[in-house]
Amino acid sequence: KQEVTQIPAALSVPEGENLVLNCSFTDSAIYNLQWFRQDPGKGLTSLLLIQSSQREQTSGRLNASLDKSSGRSTLYIAASQPGDSATYLCAVMRRMNTGFQKLVFGTGTRLLVSP
Amino acid sequence: EAGVAQSPRYKIIEKRQSVAFWCNPISGHATLYWYQQILGQGPKLLIQFQNNGVVDDSQLPKDRFSAERLKGVDSTLKIQPAKLEDSAVYLCASSSHLSGLSKNIQYFGAGTRLSVL
Repeated sequence: KQEVTQIPAALSVPEGENLVLNCSFTDSAIYNLQWFRQDPGKGLTSLLLIQSSQREQTSGRLNASLDKSSGRSTLYIAASQPGDSATYLCAVMRRMNTGFQKLVFGTGTRLLVSP
Repeated sequence: EAGVAQSPRYKIIEKRQSVAFWCNPISGHATLYWYQQILGQGPKLLIQFQNNGVVDDSQLPKDRFSAERLKGVDSTLKIQPAKLEDSAVYLCASSSHLSGLSKNIQYFGAGTRLSVL
């Protein structure tokens, strides 16, 4: 059974700091790994998707890495801003017995960036 | 392009009552998902449709939850009767890619927040 864990559960930093969010998963047989952002009262927004054959993806101030062999991913946020405050969710895409795919989510990291 | 639409946004009911949620996916998206997100946890997949067929409902409590996607477009999720532990946000998502492709991005609606008293 695939389990996804995120550390820390909550993080508070001052504006301008660089920070790292961690994600670990137990089964390395994944199609891809995605990082999502969730704002209060809103749905999830996909930030970055890393294919299983890739090592990292970058979008603006965000950089996500993937190490399948160790079952780990990190999301690096450079020069954090108050607008980055949200919950960040990690999810792995795995194949079900039916042949279809399924996203398994971690519990998230609540980030607060103070001005 | 319009996003995934869900209604209602909020619902408060008493235990043992019934409730229904509605989802309209992005036009043309073949795959539709319902997730349950309990406070402090990540979303958990309840049911996945490919067009109007169910491909995974292994975590759907079938004694009280039901879902349908008539005509392969919009979908409804029903709870009957509700329990206290059903209090959660119910998220609907859709994707255009057929399962089996590794780049299968899901687009999420804003969710319905259910409180069972």
